[in-house]
Amino acid sequence: DTEVTQTPKHLVMGMTNKKSLKCEQHMGHRAMYWYKQKAKKPPELMFVYSYEKLSINESVPSRFSPECPNSSLLNLHLHALQPEDSALYLCASSQGTSYEQYFGPGTRLTVT
Amino acid sequence: QQQVKQSPQSLIVQKGGISIINCAYENTAFDYFPWYQQFPGKGPALLIAIRPDVSEKKEGRFTISFNKSAKQFSLHIMDSQPGDSATYFCAARDNAGNMLTFGGGTRLMVKP
Repeated sequence: DTEVTQTPKHLVMGMTNKKSLKCEQHMGHRAMYWYKQKAKKPPELMFVYSYEKLSINESVPSRFSPECPNSSLLNLHLHALQPEDSALYLCASSQGTSYEQYFGPGTRLTVT
Repeated sequence: QQQVKQSPQSLIVQKGGISIINCAYENTAFDYFPWYQQFPGKGPALLIAIRPDVSEKKEGRFTISFNKSAKQFSLHIMDSQPGDSATYFCAARDNAGNMLTFGGGTRLMVKP
């Protein structure tokens, strides 16, 4: 199994809502990542978890809150988002931070 | 500061032709150079990758050429097919091993 799954595929939320994005992998990878991708742009790194510990936070606003409940799961909790946060949110995983990253299909988020 | 510069931004190639995408970098600490292919609405998929100890790597119709002294690398797609139409991102990772730096992307269209 070489797949990273993400749910939901699409999400529309208001600026006062609280929602969560979920990511799962069963490849035994110990590093997991959240990226944000705007249209026609490359992915931008948001967070890195290594062995279930947050190792990198790329100065992301606190309205984005990551969580790694176990080595297979990664969540991104969203609260009080802005319309400019609308984007494709990608999860990735790798065997370790020095190995190839494999991306999930993403969650298309629209903030109204 | 864009650490990996990718060109061209868009490329149109006839079916059966060769598609060439170029990337250049400045950071000599980069030691791993992957290419990702992304179809609309999907996450990036790892296509092929190279380390600076080799000058060329070939996998099927895809070849990476690497010029360490010039700090440049390129992706060649031989016998380009309409199914290759996608956005291609080059990337680089430094020897600290944590973060991928992406190029700006190239939108490839292969005409039948």
